[in-house]
Amino acid sequence: DAGVIQSPRHEVTEMGQEVTLRCKPISGHNSLFWYRQTMMRGLELLIYFNNNVPIDDSGMPEDRFSAKMPNASFSTLKIQPSEPRDSAVYFCASRSTSGSRGEQFFGPGTRLTVL
Amino acid sequence: KNQVEQSPQSLIILEGKNCTLQCNYTVSPFSNLRWYKQDTGRGPVSLTIMTFSENTKSNGRYTATLDADTKQSSLHITASQLSDSASYICVVSAEERGRGGADGLTFGKGTHLIIQP
Repeated sequence: DAGVIQSPRHEVTEMGQEVTLRCKPISGHNSLFWYRQTMMRGLELLIYFNNNVPIDDSGMPEDRFSAKMPNASFSTLKIQPSEPRDSAVYFCASRSTSGSRGEQFFGPGTRLTVL
Repeated sequence: KNQVEQSPQSLIILEGKNCTLQCNYTVSPFSNLRWYKQDTGRGPVSLTIMTFSENTKSNGRYTATLDADTKQSSLHITASQLSDSASYICVVSAEERGRGGADGLTFGKGTHLIIQP
């Protein structure tokens, strides 16, 4: 298995532009998570899905952020409009079981820079 | 509020030496605790998971301990190697009925470990 796949790996954009990050979870996993990581705050959960349904989006910082999971093999995280403070590494993770004991498998991340 | 505190924030040791990383938590009700290793430029990878009844668990040169009474965990690395240079993140899960994010997960900010030759 290729593991969790994220694209792009790096994104540089200008303030105000729309950014779309993509994630393909491990086949057969039914939970998907989006995280943001910065030096100051560490890993922060933004949103997670179970069976393609958003369960908890309380970590989404504001209305500029939105996430979708149209099917079991694809999810997007969109920022519109982007701001310099959104600069961070965004990780997608998937898990095969519901419940906190299941291991999350992380993708390589997308490093976003907003100028 | 559920919290996970890790110490030290960063650590530099010589190759071959041992080290211990600490994780203190206030997550309740406790379900399990994981240690993740995150290499530079990559996503975190799970090293070990510990539940309430487990005191010690080893994974090669990594040994994790858990004291559920004092709500403390440690990760001991024996005979460090250059490849151990990474960030180590402690993640504590509350029981599903608790609070704290996805299935009650609370993340520490990590310890940045550098192994020098």
